Amino acid sequence: QAVLTQPASLSASPGASARLTCTLRSGVSVDTYRMYWYQQKPGSPPQYLLRYKSDSDKHQGYGVPSRFSASKDASANAGILLISGVQSEDEADYYCMIWHSSAWVFGGGTKVNVL
Amino acid sequence: EVQLLESGGTLVQPGGSLRLSCAASGFTFGSYAMTWVRQAPGKGLEWVSGISYSGDSTYYSDSVKGRFIISRDNSENTLDLQMNSLRAEDSAVYYCAKHQYSGWDYYFYGPDVWGQGTTVTVSS
Repeated sequence: QAVLTQPASLSASPGASARLTCTLRSGVSVDTYRMYWYQQKPGSPPQYLLRYKSDSDKHQGYGVPSRFSASKDASANAGILLISGVQSEDEADYYCMIWHSSAWVFGGGTKVNVL
Repeated sequence: EVQLLESGGTLVQPGGSLRLSCAASGFTFGSYAMTWVRQAPGKGLEWVSGISYSGDSTYYSDSVKGRFIISRDNSENTLDLQMNSLRAEDSAVYYCAKHQYSGWDYYFYGPDVWGQGTTVTVSS
């Protein structure tokens, strides 16, 4: 079982909210990790969006719109990336990442389609 | 402006070797940990290797351990990845990335700036 699991795809309408999840494997608690989120558009390198461990340990990437935010859902053992007011330019792949067992581990990525 | 420019990617035969380089500018290179991440065609991101800001500590994924060697030259602002015993599954775009804060151990904070990547194709 992968350490980080992301849904393969998600569709959202312009102006709606999109909630992306990054679920940690059973036995690996989301509470203990700084989770990073990256956005990648076709043909381009990943772009850093933000980092979240707690409300007192978080960081928004420079120039990243405030409609991107992160949190955790302890009950689901998952990190959350919320895009509020989705725009067409938000159509991209999104990856989560943590440091686990002496390695940076990525989720498989979620493709966000803006319909 | 932070810039990372990868080079060295090319077509190489299975079992061959290749050296990738990443030229850094726009920041105090010797104060930041650095990382290599790869992405196979149509696939997700995969962490490959990383190095502390001083170069004293290095880290490798299980998939490349024993075959790849990461190094840095803080006087030349360059990051290298020596790739040996290459396999078809090593074919990917390889990105170098700068970590978020200066002076921290490698694993505390992750990358925040990525280069454009260089393409490695392993095929006969």
